Amino acid sequence: AQRVTQPEKLLSVFKGAPVELKCNYSYSGSPELFWYVQYSRQRLQLLLRHISRESIKGFTADLNKGETSFHLKKPFAQEEDSAMYYCALSGTSGTYKYIFGTGTRLKVLA
Amino acid sequence: DGGITQSPKYLFRKEGQNVTLSCEQNLNHDAMYWYRQDPGQGLRLIYYSQIVNDFQKGDIAEGYSVSREKKESFPLTVTSAQKNPTAFYLCASRESSYNEQFFGPGTRLTVL
Repeated sequence: AQRVTQPEKLLSVFKGAPVELKCNYSYSGSPELFWYVQYSRQRLQLLLRHISRESIKGFTADLNKGETSFHLKKPFAQEEDSAMYYCALSGTSGTYKYIFGTGTRLKVLA
Repeated sequence: DGGITQSPKYLFRKEGQNVTLSCEQNLNHDAMYWYRQDPGQGLRLIYYSQIVNDFQKGDIAEGYSVSREKKESFPLTVTSAQKNPTAFYLCASRESSYNEQFFGPGTRLTVL
C-alpha cells in the first residue's frame, strides 16, 4: 500500500532546541518526497523537496531509501517555525498523484 | 493578483442539497487537485485532473463530482450522497517543471 506516516500529531520544543519531524513512507517505485508547511492563517505551501537537496529556513531533509524515511530537521528552532507540517510523496512519471501524511503540529515555546 | 482562488470562503448547506465549490487558477497549470482536510487525517485526495476534459478519482471520491471544461477551472460538487460533507476543502494546481503544488485558501463547508 502507498502510504505516508507521520507518527507525531504534536511536537513541542523550546526555542533554540533541535527539531526533528518524522516521516516514513511506503511506495512501490521511486517517489519524490516533499515537506509542505501551513503557517497560521496562511496557505499550505512547499517547504522543500528531496530532489533539490537544499536548506530552506534552516530546515533540511534527507531521503533514506533503506529506511524509507524523509525526516525534517532543524538544528535550532525559532518561534516563527510554529506551524503544521505535512510530508507528502508523488510519483515521478505518468500520473502525478500525491499522498499526504496526517501532519505534525510544531509548537516552538519561548 | 495571481494564483489560485477558491470561493466561497465559508459555505453552509442543508442536508440533502448539492453544493458546488469553485476553484480557479491563472497559473497556466495543466493539473489540478481537490483535497479534503479533516483534523487528524491530513489531506485526502478527492479528485484530480491532469488535463482539460479528463479527471480521475482520488482516494475518497464517493459523494463528489467534478468537471474540467476549462484549464483555469476545476469546480467540485458535493452531492447529497456524501455522508459526512462538513470539512475544509482545498484546491491545488501543479507546476509541472518542479512538480510543486500551489494551494488555494480553502472553503469551509458546514452541513446544517
